[in-house]
Amino acid sequence: AQSVTQLDSQVPVFEEAPVELRCNYSSSVSVYLFWYVQYPNQGLQLLLKYLSGSTLVKGINGFEAEFNKSQTSFHLRKPSVHISDTAEYFCAVRSGGYQKVTFGTGTKLQVIP
Amino acid sequence: DSGVTQTPKHLITATGQRVTLRCSPRSGDLSVYWYQQSLDQGLQFLIQYYNGEERAKGNILERFSAQQFPDLHSELNLSSLELGDSALYFCASSALGQVTDTQYFGPGTRLTVL
Repeated sequence: AQSVTQLDSQVPVFEEAPVELRCNYSSSVSVYLFWYVQYPNQGLQLLLKYLSGSTLVKGINGFEAEFNKSQTSFHLRKPSVHISDTAEYFCAVRSGGYQKVTFGTGTKLQVIP
Repeated sequence: DSGVTQTPKHLITATGQRVTLRCSPRSGDLSVYWYQQSLDQGLQFLIQYYNGEERAKGNILERFSAQQFPDLHSELNLSSLELGDSALYFCASSALGQVTDTQYFGPGTRLTVL
């Protein structure tokens, strides 16, 4: 079985400050990890994904994430946030050849001017 | 714009009724996925089709069914609707339906069951 935990339901941060959104996963086999962003009244958009190789993954809009196998984490970071980053962020996992994707409960990032 | 289209955008219906949600994938994508997003259950994978065939099934209720047609568009049928079925239903598509594929999401259909 696979699962994803996003411990923070809401994260307020001031504009131009750094942010880290936490994601921990559980799986008994190799994993593929994803971060999606959902802007209000829109569908999800892929920010970045880890499939294999380098544990530091760079995505769109200046976001990056680091895969840490020993800590079973895939935290999302951005060194300086903008108002336009206000959205909900979802971490997701797919295991091995298993087609089903499991999403976390989401973290709402609120950027304060 | 992801290139995935969903109709209708909003749907309001009554308990016990049946509705059909439609999805057109991005040009060239062979696989379609359906998801349900609700306040209670969060974002859940329902079902995946690849080139007309069912490939994977998630938390899809027996009252729900889906299919993918030869032109690759897909429909999600929801029947005997209950209040708890009120949710945002997303369709996504990907090129080959593989676990490593990037999925492109449509804007969703908001279903309200009264």
